[in-house]
Amino acid sequence: SQTIHQWPATLVQPVGSPLSLECTVEGTSNPNLYWYRQAAGRGLQLLFYSVGIGQISSEVPQNLSASRPQDRQFILSSKKLLLSDSGFYLCAWSGDTEAFFGQGTRLTVV
Amino acid sequence: GDSVTQMEGPVTLSEEAFLTINCTYTATGYPSLFWYVQYPGEGLQLLLKATKADDKGSNKGFEATYRKETTSFHLEKGSVQVSDSAVYFCALSDQTEKLVFGKGMKLTVNP
Repeated sequence: SQTIHQWPATLVQPVGSPLSLECTVEGTSNPNLYWYRQAAGRGLQLLFYSVGIGQISSEVPQNLSASRPQDRQFILSSKKLLLSDSGFYLCAWSGDTEAFFGQGTRLTVV
Repeated sequence: GDSVTQMEGPVTLSEEAFLTINCTYTATGYPSLFWYVQYPGEGLQLLLKATKADDKGSNKGFEATYRKETTSFHLEKGSVQVSDSAVYFCALSDQTEKLVFGKGMKLTVNP
């Protein structure tokens, strides 16, 4: 069966520090992969999506970047975190007509 | 670009009340439409889906019909339960397989 792993579950980072959130998928090949941010009052915002290795589409210009070094690995990064980067980050992958979500990472930038 | 607009909450209902959550979309072509639910303390999960016009998705007493003429996919349930308390997201998947979500609506059902 397909599973998706996302870690860490919670993270507290100081302003200006780097960020790396990792997401891996099992049980499928060549999935479409997504990073979303869920901010209070703003719902789910698509940040990046990828249809293949090395192929990244950015939906919202901001202080974050994404990479897909392997078929089933999707990484969300930042060189210097801002206070406004705080939020709940969700990784997801999609098959033909359905998406599967990780449990999310609660990031607090202090 | 593609977008999803859904009714915003929060909404509080009494048990056994009728529920409607409106959702309309803008997309090129013929997207697939979804409702996702996030129960307290859990990740998102698919509630129901429809892949073409006039399809009706249903699950756990919830229903939604893909209306191409009104570009809508409203979620309904005839009698809500306390266990239906959650955040509900309408979403679409376009031909590039990009997923776009609405802002979500928090539903609280009181006994």
